[in-house]
Amino acid sequence: GQSLEQPSEVTAVEGAIVQINCTYQTSGFYGLSWYQQHDGGAPTFLSYNALDGLEETGRFSSFLSRSDSYGYLLLQELQMKDSASYFCAVSNTNAGKSTFGDGTTLTVKP
Amino acid sequence: EADIYQTPRYLVIGTGKKITLECSQTMGHDKMYWYQQDPGMELHLIHYSYGVNSTEKGDLSSESTVSRIRTEHFPLTLESARPSHTSQYLCASSESRRGQETQYFGPGTRLLVL
Repeated sequence: GQSLEQPSEVTAVEGAIVQINCTYQTSGFYGLSWYQQHDGGAPTFLSYNALDGLEETGRFSSFLSRSDSYGYLLLQELQMKDSASYFCAVSNTNAGKSTFGDGTTLTVKP
Repeated sequence: EADIYQTPRYLVIGTGKKITLECSQTMGHDKMYWYQQDPGMELHLIHYSYGVNSTEKGDLSSESTVSRIRTEHFPLTLESARPSHTSQYLCASSESRRGQETQYFGPGTRLLVL
């Protein structure tokens, strides 16, 4: 089977940097994705890593280490609007579908 | 901007009623999914489809059923709604490009069964 672990809650202040970790166990790993979901809204795609290293998209970056079965989402220059839930998701070659983690609730305080 | 739609957005219904939640996408995606999510909780995959006439049960057992007669349409049906079915139901479709699978979610249907 597949399993993912990420912290349930993270709190930070505006302007700070926060890192949300995700460790996973899966067979036939293909890639790690990150999704953002605001309260009452639907998840939206943020980033994807298939290879080791850092992918940067504006204030958000995502990192993957395949050998460690580990990735993280890095949010810089935090803004109040970044308060949301963040899900990591693993896709594998066998299932052809993504398995989502339980989500991390990020609260950004003034 | 993802073109995936769900209706109704909100539904309040009595126990025992049959309901169908609609989901349609205009992106031509072969893969479609139904998730169940309670407020502030994780996403649970309840059904998925890899294409027309293909449906599979997801990781979470559900009393609902789905059909995929057309690529763009993936309705979910509850034959007899119960209060335990109260939740948010999210539909998604996905595309794969160079191995990257990106899921696009609809706005969700919030279901309340009295």
